[in-house]
Amino acid sequence: AQKITQTQPGMFVQEKEAVTLDCTYDTSDQSYGLFWYKQPSSGEMIFLIYQGSYDEQNATEGRYSLNFQKARKSANLVISASQLGDSAMYFCAMRDIFGGATNKLIFGTGTLLAVQP
Amino acid sequence: DVKVTQSSRYLVKRTGEKVFLECVQDMDHENMFWYRQDPGLGLRLIYFSYDVKMKEKGDIPEGYSVSREKKERFSLILESASTNQTSMYLCASSLFGQGLSYEQYFGPGTRLTVT
Repeated sequence: AQKITQTQPGMFVQEKEAVTLDCTYDTSDQSYGLFWYKQPSSGEMIFLIYQGSYDEQNATEGRYSLNFQKARKSANLVISASQLGDSAMYFCAMRDIFGGATNKLIFGTGTLLAVQP
Repeated sequence: DVKVTQSSRYLVKRTGEKVFLECVQDMDHENMFWYRQDPGLGLRLIYFSYDVKMKEKGDIPEGYSVSREKKERFSLILESASTNQTSMYLCASSLFGQGLSYEQYFGPGTRLTVT
């Protein structure tokens, strides 16, 4: 069965420093997609970044990058130059291979990031 | 700008009441989803729909039902609310198709308290 594991329930980082949020996944499929979402205290889930299993390059979106290590089945999110507004819950997710065209996602339990001034 | 809206941000209901949570999207998406979010458990899928009047159970459908009479609207129904249904409920939508990169777009969530 597919599974997403986020082992860090909470993390602190100093403003302007980089931080890595861990995500490991388990799947038997060769073709899969990985996502990261941010959830501020307001509650809305915001899509951050996507990595496809066949993508040769690590995905980047502004200050967000994804450290994709396929052999280790890890897809860690790296936030560079942290800002106070980065304080939020972060979820790693994987497209459910049994969901077909319904594009269901399987989510991890999340990591709560607190950026300190 | 893509948008998913939910009828209420906060809702307080009594045990045994019938509760309706409404979700509307304006992106013409075929797929719509209802999740509940609880601390330490992440997001768990309750029900989803890939077309009007089509629905499928997710991982935790017990105690819930859904309705999709129009493409843009997906309703979650708690037939008889119980205290263990106190939670954050999130609605999402996405395109239908085999695109690996098709992300889900989320609404702002509804914090439901059942007393």
